[in-house]
Amino acid sequence: EPEVTQTPSHQVTQMGQEVILRCVPISNHLYFYWYRQILGQKVEFLVSFYNNEISEKSEIFDDQFSVERPDGSNFTLKIRSTKLEDSAMYFCASSSSLERGADTQYFGPGTRLTVL
Amino acid sequence: GESVGLHLPTLSVQEGDNSIINCAYSNSASDYFIWYKQESGKGPQFIIDIRSNMDKRQGQRVTVLLNKTVKHLSLQIAATQPGDSAVYFCAESIQAGTALIFGKGTTLSVSS
Repeated sequence: EPEVTQTPSHQVTQMGQEVILRCVPISNHLYFYWYRQILGQKVEFLVSFYNNEISEKSEIFDDQFSVERPDGSNFTLKIRSTKLEDSAMYFCASSSSLERGADTQYFGPGTRLTVL
Repeated sequence: GESVGLHLPTLSVQEGDNSIINCAYSNSASDYFIWYKQESGKGPQFIIDIRSNMDKRQGQRVTVLLNKTVKHLSLQIAATQPGDSAVYFCAESIQAGTALIFGKGTTLSVSS
């Protein structure tokens, strides 16, 4: 069964450093998402991406964040200058289309980001 | 802002019992609702979804009920098994495929 994959599983970085989190969405999917989950809290939406541009973003997704689809398979989230409060699990998700029955968002296993 | 909340943070049941997990949502404009299961250290796993033009939808051992009058969503799990132990999240969106707004989660513990 196709699934979303993410690398690395755990990333430790120093405050102020840049990090890039990588995702490989399900191959025939067209819509891509990033969410985050601070330990013990609910999952929060960050950004959605379609047709090589951001379609929707939350207040969390400020100028420190950016997304990119550098090739036909990868989808990345970059945090330019990490802060302590960026420590969280980051989940990538993908869905195939907005047509009825084909728009369930499937999540990857997550990357745990620890900012020291 | 919009939020989706759950009535109980934890639910403990015996193996074989039926489980009911409840969720209240606040945005009457939401058109799409979904339940996810999250096991420790893993990403949310899709269980079942429902659109606002439906009241009930059934899957394998699971049923989702939507009451738009009181903005209430529930997940029923029949014959609960130890493997069902996890955190369950409901989520809503204005339209399927757009940003999901998650609730805080209910931890289901199944004892054998």
